[in-house]
Amino acid sequence: GAVVSQHPSWVICKSGTSVKIECRSLDFQATTMFWYRQFPKQSLMLMATSNEGSKATYEQGVEKDKFLINHASLTLSTLTVTSAHPEDSSFYICSASPAGPTAQTQYFGPGTRLTVL
Amino acid sequence: AQKVTQAQTEISVVEKEDVTLDCVYETRDTTYYLFWYKQPPSGELVFLIRRNSFDEQNEISGRYSWNFQKSTSSFNFTITASQVVDSAVYFCALAHYGTNSKLTFGKGITLSVRP
Repeated sequence: GAVVSQHPSWVICKSGTSVKIECRSLDFQATTMFWYRQFPKQSLMLMATSNEGSKATYEQGVEKDKFLINHASLTLSTLTVTSAHPEDSSFYICSASPAGPTAQTQYFGPGTRLTVL
Repeated sequence: AQKVTQAQTEISVVEKEDVTLDCVYETRDTTYYLFWYKQPPSGELVFLIRRNSFDEQNEISGRYSWNFQKSTSSFNFTITASQVVDSAVYFCALAHYGTNSKLTFGKGITLSVRP
């Protein structure tokens, strides 16, 4: 149980294009999903907290117009990197927390590796 | 503010050795959660354990065991009889008590288990 998927697993795009990453909780409903960014050999950096049906809460220093987050249903959140540039190249990971006794535990997706040329 | 310190950055052991990964945390909360996650080379973080601050019992799961010492603010992780498949980055994390709290991660420990 508690499986989270991400799509695509990797993407290469040209500078200036937008990229959408999907995060789905496959076997549970998640009122809250989280988006992280991870650089090589570093820890995870929280970008934003996404709540179903409401606007995402962004961490300090994260551009909300650059990283658009939508959480339209209890099983799907999307992250769109708008007008991507090479410095946006990174490993993006989402997580979701199920309701109930394990609501405090975040389960992570497999990540999406974004390369911007 | 919360903080998680994983002082060891890289550990290398030979298969079948026991290894302990250290985690020290700082928080002003009286109740909180502690976690360990494993990130193998594939990149996906795998949940290993969640511990509530009011439950100081140590836990064992197969070759894995966790030692929670509230008095020293530590939550150490021991792998017994390590295997090559244990090679990964291990993250300790801390969260406020309550649902859907943000995680504060340590910097991670890279464990290499050599055959």
